[in-house]
Amino acid sequence: SQTIHQWPATLVQPVGSPLSLECTVEGTSNPNLYWYRQAAGRGLQLLFYSVGIGQISSEVPQNLSASRPQDRQFILSSKKLLLSDSGFYLCAWSRMGSYNEQFFGPGTRLTVL
Amino acid sequence: GQNIDQPTEMTATEGAIVQINCTYQTSGFNGLFWYQQHAGEAPTFLSYNVLDGLEEKGRFSSFLSRSKGYSYLLLKELQMKDSASYLCAVAGDSNYQLIWGAGTKLIIKP
Repeated sequence: SQTIHQWPATLVQPVGSPLSLECTVEGTSNPNLYWYRQAAGRGLQLLFYSVGIGQISSEVPQNLSASRPQDRQFILSSKKLLLSDSGFYLCAWSRMGSYNEQFFGPGTRLTVL
Repeated sequence: GQNIDQPTEMTATEGAIVQINCTYQTSGFNGLFWYQQHAGEAPTFLSYNVLDGLEEKGRFSSFLSRSKGYSYLLLKELQMKDSASYLCAVAGDSNYQLIWGAGTKLIIKP
């Protein structure tokens, strides 16, 4: 069976500090990978998606970046956090090349102070 | 542009039935998903419709009308644990992306 891991679960960071969130998937190969952000009481905003190692598509220009160094590893980073980066960050995967459902990790609650 | 509309919030009584509507306007259509999201947790998959009609899965059913750009999620015999947000998402032209609605917060009262 497939599982998706995200860490950390919660994070409190000062403005201007760097960020690194990691997501890994087990039990599948060549997944599509996604990073979403969800503001309190709001819908999902797609930040990045990846269809393969080193292939990253950005949906929203901002101070965040993503990398996929391995097939089942997806990393979200920032060099300098802004207050507006606070939110619930969700990693998800779907099977390659299909419209199958997306499966979500447990999420990271980020608070920037 | 592409747009998905859902009511922001709904209230229902334990044991009753509730219908959550979703209308969409997208360039292309390759299916509609419903997800459930409890507060502070990740969304979990409920249903997928790609053909017109009703799909029943236990207490939950989902309906799709492609000609009307319309779907609904029907929850029967409501339980307190059904209090959550329900997200509608459409697979449009892109092979990789879903277009997400803002979600409907469902409040269940005893």
